Amino acid sequence: NAGVTQTPKFQVLKTGQSMTLQCAQDMNHEYMSWYRQDPGMGLRLIHYSVGAGITDQGEVPNGYNVSRSTTEDFPLRLLSAAPSQTSVYFCASSYSEVSSEQYFGPGTRLTVT
Amino acid sequence: GQQVMQIPQYQHVQEGEDFTTYCNSSTTLSNIQWYKQRPGGHPVFLIQLVKSGEVKKQKRLTFQFGEAKKNSSLHITATQTTDVGTYFCAAYGGATNKLIFGTGTLLAVQP
Repeated sequence: NAGVTQTPKFQVLKTGQSMTLQCAQDMNHEYMSWYRQDPGMGLRLIHYSVGAGITDQGEVPNGYNVSRSTTEDFPLRLLSAAPSQTSVYFCASSYSEVSSEQYFGPGTRLTVT
Repeated sequence: GQQVMQIPQYQHVQEGEDFTTYCNSSTTLSNIQWYKQRPGGHPVFLIQLVKSGEVKKQKRLTFQFGEAKKNSSLHITATQTTDVGTYFCAAYGGATNKLIFGTGTLLAVQP
């Protein structure tokens, strides 16, 4: 099993550009989520999904969209990149949405200039 | 909303010394998880505690869940250079009742 995979590993965007961060898992997990990690702030939940076709907002959803057309894939879209979105983004999956070990992908380091 | 406070933010120890990080909440937690993130890496699950007063050990790591289920600690005995990284606690709560991470404790170990 590859676990949770993310692409790209690194990305530089100009302000106003859009892009999609890819996330896939091969563990048949129903629950998937996106976090951003900034220095001194831990990991903050952006969006999550409890299954294909179902998504919801986390703590910091503004400026991001998600969709979940399959169990395996959970892409994160930046609609119009801003410097405040410079961060490391982690995708995670787990068997269930509560009391369950989270498996994290390797992360995408995004810089917006 | 619920916050999970973690202290200290940073700890520098000599190899062989012990290390402890603490996680505190103002509300009762249903359970608490601990993760380790190596420099440049991603968080990796260590353990989950569920019961009041629970203590679990993994080799040199000891995890405790407080009696009131509002705090938790991770203690490392005789640190090694392989212990370097950031240790996060995480608990379910907040406005979304999803997993909320503490701010983490960065452990540096000097050989």
